[in-house]
Amino acid sequence: DTAVSQTPKYLVTQMGNDKSIKCEQNLGHDTMYWYKQDSKKFLKIMFSYNNKELIINETVPNRFSPKSPDKAHLNLHINSLELGDSAVYFCASSQWGGTGPTSRTEAFFGQGTRLTVV
Amino acid sequence: AQSVAQPEDQVNVAEGNPLTVKCTYSVSGNPYLFWYVQYPNRGLQFLLKYITGDNLVKGSYGFEAEFNKSQTSFHLKKPSALVSDSALYFCAVRDSNQAGTALIFGKGTTLSVSS
Repeated sequence: DTAVSQTPKYLVTQMGNDKSIKCEQNLGHDTMYWYKQDSKKFLKIMFSYNNKELIINETVPNRFSPKSPDKAHLNLHINSLELGDSAVYFCASSQWGGTGPTSRTEAFFGQGTRLTVV
Repeated sequence: AQSVAQPEDQVNVAEGNPLTVKCTYSVSGNPYLFWYVQYPNRGLQFLLKYITGDNLVKGSYGFEAEFNKSQTSFHLKKPSALVSDSALYFCAVRDSNQAGTALIFGKGTTLSVSS
């Protein structure tokens, strides 16, 4: 079973279009994230949700709107796509837990969605 | 603010030799530190973490990392490199264990192991 799954894996679209990327996790985690990996492979946090509540909203254009219908899902909708939005978008999840070597504070990542805007 | 530095863009090592990938961090509170590996066109795979306890942490595929609080470092090591270890390695830090806190990543280090 895939722990964190994203769809689609590849997305090619024209400038100005609106698109969505879906993410689902079956790990029972309470926190989900969207990261953007640019062409230089740099990973930047975009959003973080805990129990469906938005926690982190980094300096991201308001054309990007995350939506979390429940703890297991975090979707990303992008309006009016621009060339600069081309990147790989990763969904991830983790469990807010206590300290100690067995705490599961690491994040589990999906396989990524490669978005190409032409 | 928290940050992670990986000073080397690329590390080259011969198969069978030991490898080290460097990472230093900056946080205001207690650090939670992680290493991930990314193979081409794949997602990130978790290797190991330091939360508390022993400074030497062992992880997947024979990797280990040593937490050094005084030097604010968390270097990744492996005693004997394999060609299959060639990949992009990321160090990450989380400042505190608050709900929703995200991992902040370094820029990544490409490890190239030659046969």
